[in-house]
Amino acid sequence: GAVVSQHPSRVICKSGTSVKIECRSLDFQATTMFWYRQFPKQSLMLMATSNEGSKATYEQGVEKDKFLINHASLTLSTLTVTSAHPEDSSFYICSAREVGTGGNQPQHFGDGTRLSIL
Amino acid sequence: AQSVTQPDIHITVSEGASLELRCNYSYGATPYLFWYVQSPGQGLQLLLKYFSGDTLVQGIKGFEAEFKRSQSSFNLRKPSVHWSDAAEYFCAVGANTGGFKTIFGAGTRLFVKA
Repeated sequence: GAVVSQHPSRVICKSGTSVKIECRSLDFQATTMFWYRQFPKQSLMLMATSNEGSKATYEQGVEKDKFLINHASLTLSTLTVTSAHPEDSSFYICSAREVGTGGNQPQHFGDGTRLSIL
Repeated sequence: AQSVTQPDIHITVSEGASLELRCNYSYGATPYLFWYVQSPGQGLQLLLKYFSGDTLVQGIKGFEAEFKRSQSSFNLRKPSVHWSDAAEYFCAVGANTGGFKTIFGAGTRLFVKA
């Protein structure tokens, strides 16, 4: 089946540090990748939609300068949390949808990244 | 805009008992519906999906769901729950326009007691 690899799985760093999270589709090509944030015991909140070769589309209320998204290839998208602060601590999950599929096809999810800012 | 409601924040069932998790959606066109399961600290795994055809869909791990257009519902069922089914379950609706976003419900936490 389609596998999405997300790395790292856990990050602990000091306030002010920038952190990069990678999301890779291992056995398929993904035109579109999605980045979600999940607070404890809550649902997934879509942060942005990442399209290969173009600028990401951010959801309302998400700071694009804070959460930099790059989707340089059909198998890799990155999320960089710039100058992270404790309030950025959260569980970040990426997902990918295969090339040529639309809303009727499921997304394939990575295992998430637990980000803790001290 | 699409939306998903999962009325039950958490449910507790005995091992071996049947399970039904409720999901109601709002969407102007034919919805694409999904159920995902999430174990603690993990990503999401697809259990099943519906977008056309038979309204009763079978998924992995013995789960099934029934699409009822008249009730705008897509409830998840399992005839006999196992302790390993304890997890968070998310119902989701996918759009066929506007970037093909998927909107998730708030989730239902399933507890299984011995």
